[in-house]
Amino acid sequence: QKEVEQNSGPLSVPEGAIASLNCTYSDRGSQSFFWYRQYSGKSPELIMSIYSNGDKEDGRFTAQLNKASQYVSLLIRDSQPSDSATYLCAVPHNQAGTALIFGKGTTLSVSS
Amino acid sequence: EAGVTQSPTHLIKTRGQQATLRCSPISGHTSVYWYQQALGLGLQFLLWYDEGEERNRGNFPPRFSGRQFPNYSSELNVNALELEDSALYLCASSLGFMNTEAFFGQGTRLTVV
Repeated sequence: QKEVEQNSGPLSVPEGAIASLNCTYSDRGSQSFFWYRQYSGKSPELIMSIYSNGDKEDGRFTAQLNKASQYVSLLIRDSQPSDSATYLCAVPHNQAGTALIFGKGTTLSVSS
Repeated sequence: EAGVTQSPTHLIKTRGQQATLRCSPISGHTSVYWYQQALGLGLQFLLWYDEGEERNRGNFPPRFSGRQFPNYSSELNVNALELEDSALYLCASSLGFMNTEAFFGQGTRLTVV
C-alpha cells in the first residue's frame, strides 16, 4: 500500500519568512509528485508539479524532489497571510492509473 | 476555459436514502476521479473512470458506485446512506494518462441526517 506522509502541523511562520513543507513517500517507483493548496472548506488547488530530481521554481514557490531519499518538499518564500492553508502532497497510485494518493496535509499559518 | 464543475453544491439526505452527485470535467479531459474528504480526514480515493469505463476503485463498499457518460461527465451514486457518509465529495479530471495533472471541482457537501 502506497503511503504519503506529511507532518500535520500547524507550521507557523511570520509574514515574509520562508515556509518549508515536507513529504515522504513509500513507493520508489513513483515518477510524479504534486502539491495542492486547500483553504478551509474549499477544494484542493494544484500549485506545483515536479517530475525530475532537483528544484522547480514557480514564483514564490519552489518544489524540491529527491527520489533517492524519497522525499519532496515545497518552499514558500516571502510567506503571506493569504498562504495560510493546508498543503497536500500527492503521488499517483500506479495501480489506479493517475488517481492520486494524498498525504493528510500540513496546515500552514502565516502571521502578520 | 471552464474548470471542473460539480452539482449540487450542497445535498442533505436522510439515512437510508440514495444520493446522486454529478461532475463535468474540463474540456478534453477523459479521466474523472471521485474522492471523499470527511471532516478532519484526508482525501480518500473512491473511483476512477476513463473513456466510459470504471478503471479502479478505492477501499469503499459497493454501495458507492457511479458511471461515466459518453461526454465524459460522471455521476457518483451512494446508496443506503449512513451518517458517516457525510463528507465533502470531490471530483477531479485529468487528461487520462500517467503522471498528468489533475484538477478539482468545488465539491459537493453531502450531509446525512
